[in-house]
Amino acid sequence: SQQGEEDPQALSIQEGENATMNCSYKTSINNLQWYRQNSGRGLVHLILIRSNEREKHSGRLRVTLDTSKKSSSLLITASRAADTASYFCATEGTDKLIFGTGTRLQVFP
Amino acid sequence: EAGVAQSPRYKIIEKRQSVAFWCNPISGHATLYWYQQILGQGPKLLIQFQNNGVVDDSQLPKDRFSAERLKGVDSTLKIQPAKLEDSAVYLCASSLGHTGTNEKLLFGSGTQLSVL
Repeated sequence: SQQGEEDPQALSIQEGENATMNCSYKTSINNLQWYRQNSGRGLVHLILIRSNEREKHSGRLRVTLDTSKKSSSLLITASRAADTASYFCATEGTDKLIFGTGTRLQVFP
Repeated sequence: EAGVAQSPRYKIIEKRQSVAFWCNPISGHATLYWYQQILGQGPKLLIQFQNNGVVDDSQLPKDRFSAERLKGVDSTLKIQPAKLEDSAVYLCASSLGHTGTNEKLLFGSGTQLSVL
């Protein structure tokens, strides 16, 4: 079963714009992770935010976590064509990592 | 560091045939995962090993799927017999520790299976 639901399912923007993706989940978590998947490739880990953290930054990425609302957001600032990919949130409880349904991001040059 | 290695990269079989996938995780990683990713969906965990023991196989269709992890290192995933709905990408991942310890997963490139 998949716990995370991402919104939107697909997003198209121009280079230089910001992209925001949201993830909602159902049960309590230990941490929430974001991964990127380029077409035909495996997933690449982007960032991990623990349940006691509210915001985390890594380069052009900003992740927020609201455990009271059971939701997270991933912001990519100043997007580039190379950011075109699918982005997945994954929630970790005590024993396994469960992936969401993903957001397909298309960045046009 | 060397990444997670998977083979083959692509496989096409007919329904009712058998198929096997191989994974070599990153050296020293205790935990190994097999995920199934159907087109347009997120990865679904099939089985998780810690060293050579099974931690979770609750979503593995055990009537047709089997997996083993040899000496706590390499792993094989087998499907016998295959069904049309098994068409998917099979992803192997590994992590240094076990889930629940804030570990990130490192993924291989996957094996794309088409069942005709």
